[in-house]
Formats: sequence, structure tokens, C-alpha cells
Amino acid sequence: AQKVTQAQTEISVVEKEDVTLDCVYETRDTTYYLFWYKQPPSGELVFLIRRNSFDEQNEISGRYSWNFQKSTSSFNFTITASQVVDSAVYFCALSEAGSGGYQKVTFGTGTKLQVIP
Amino acid sequence: EAQVTQNPRYLITVTGKKLTVTCSQNMNHEYMSWYRQDPGLGLRQIYYSMNVEVTDKGDVPEGYKVSRKEKRNFPLILESPSPNQTSLYFCASSTSPGLSYNEQFFGPGTRLTVL
Repeated sequence: AQKVTQAQTEISVVEKEDVTLDCVYETRDTTYYLFWYKQPPSGELVFLIRRNSFDEQNEISGRYSWNFQKSTSSFNFTITASQVVDSAVYFCALSEAGSGGYQKVTFGTGTKLQVIP
Repeated sequence: EAQVTQNPRYLITVTGKKLTVTCSQNMNHEYMSWYRQDPGLGLRQIYYSMNVEVTDKGDVPEGYKVSRKEKRNFPLILESPSPNQTSLYFCASSTSPGLSYNEQFFGPGTRLTVL
């Protein structure tokens, strides 16, 4: 069965500090996708990034970067020079084929990030 | 505007009173899914649907039913709600996963309280 672990329940940083959110996953599939979503205090869920299991290239988007390592089954998310607007709950998710080849999605329990001004 | 809508946004009900939470998307997405979010447990998938008349159980389907008679709609039905179904519910949709595994677009959430 697939599993996603976000061991950090809550993190507090001071504005402008860098912060890394950890995500460790388990799957028996060779083809799968990993995602990060952001849930700000307003409650909506916002897609941030998708990475497939065959693409281990790290990605950078502005202050955000993602480090995917299959060897350690990790897909960590780093925010550089954090800002108050980054305060949110961040979810890591794993998608793989369920029974019959359909898409089943498993989310981690989320990491609540608080950026203090 | 491309969006996923849910109704109602807030609902307080009593144990055993059947209810339906509607979900509709205007993006012609094949895949739709329901999740519940509980403190400390993250989001857990209840049911998902690959297309019209095709549904499958997620991780926590007990006590819920779904139907997919039209592509745009995916209602969540609680035949006999119980207090342990008090939660925040999200509907989501995406284009056909197939080999793409596209990201999901989420509705605004429905906060359900069962007394």
C-alpha cells in the first residue's frame, strides 16, 4: 500500500529564513507521481508542483525548490527567504494506479508552516 | 472561470438524517474525487471516479455513497450520517489520469457537523 509521511507537524521560522519541508513516500509501483499542495489559512488547496517517478531533476520556481531522490524515497520542498505569505499547511501527495489501473491518491498529514515577521 | 463548486459550504445536521453534498466542475474533467480532511490525519480519499458510471473506493469509503451520472457532477451522499463524519470535505477534479496523473483542482470545501 502506498504511504506518505510528513514527519514535521509544525514548523516556525522567522521571515527571510530558509525552510525545508520533508516528504517521504512508500510505493511498490515503478510509475507514480508526487505532488505538493498548499493550503493557506483561507482553506483552499492550491497545486504547487508535480514530479513523475522517472524525472529526478530538481526544480526551482522563484523562492521554491524541490528535491526528488528516489534512492531515499523523498520529495522535499524548500522555501528560500520565507515570507509571511508562505504561512500555510503544505501537503505532499502520491498518485499511483489503483485497482484496474485507476488513479488512487494518498496525501501526507501535512506540515503547518508559520512564518513570523 | 474554470472551477470546482461544492454546495453547501457549511452544514450542521443530526445523526441519521440523509444528506447530499453536491460537486460540480466546468472543465470537462474525466476524473473526480472526494476527500475528507481531519486534524492530524491530512486528506483521505473517500471515493473517486474515472468517468461517468465508473467509481471506486478510496481509503475511507465506509458510510458514504457516490454516483457519477453526468461528467460534470459527482455528489457525495451520506445515507445515515454519524458524528464521526464531522469533517471538512473537498471535491476535486482533473483531466483523465491515464498516464498523465495530472494535478487536481479542488473545490472550496464543505464543513459538515453531525450532532
